[in-house]
Amino acid sequence: ELKVEQNPLFLSMQEGKNYTIYCNYSTTSDRLYWYRQDPGKSLESLFVLLSNGAVKQEGRLMASLDTKARLSTLHITAAVHDLSATYFCAVDMGPWNNAGNMLTFGGGTRLMVKP
Amino acid sequence: SQTIHQWPATLVQPVGSPLSLECTVEGTSNPNLYWYRQAAGRGLQLLFYSVGIGQISSEVPQNLSASRPQDRQFILSSKKLLLSDSGFYLCAWSQGYQETQYFGPGTRLLVL
Repeated sequence: ELKVEQNPLFLSMQEGKNYTIYCNYSTTSDRLYWYRQDPGKSLESLFVLLSNGAVKQEGRLMASLDTKARLSTLHITAAVHDLSATYFCAVDMGPWNNAGNMLTFGGGTRLMVKP
Repeated sequence: SQTIHQWPATLVQPVGSPLSLECTVEGTSNPNLYWYRQAAGRGLQLLFYSVGIGQISSEVPQNLSASRPQDRQFILSSKKLLLSDSGFYLCAWSQGYQETQYFGPGTRLLVL
């Protein structure tokens, strides 16, 4: 059974600071997704990482994937209040019925950025 | 562009009552469709997925069921709700294998 663990579960940080969220998973996969969820809202796709060493950046967020270590990171640079949300990683477990993909989600990291 | 709709947005139901949640996708054909449940403060649990009309696979055995009567319509149902069915239900779609899943706005269900 694939397990996906995120840490920290909760992160309170000051504006302007840097921090990293970690996503570890238990079995082989070379495809990982990061999503953002605002309180009471749905999930918004942030990044898809497709191979070992993949790095994606959007604004103050940068995601990377190390498939050998089974680890993905989401790095936050110079945090601003608007980044406050819950961030989920999701690992692709591979194909089913040769057509679909199954995702296993981490438990989420709730980020609070304080002025 | 593609859009995904869910309704109702919020639902309060008594224990033992039936349930029907609907999800529709516009702007694409033959999508893969998914139902997830998110308990308060928790991650997402995959409930059902479908690769085509009438094709449903279940991840977690429970008192819920799903159906796909049309290509872009996915329905989540229950004959008798339990208190533990409360949560945030999210429908998602993807265009084929290894494509990003995009989520609908969700339905918040409270069973009393």
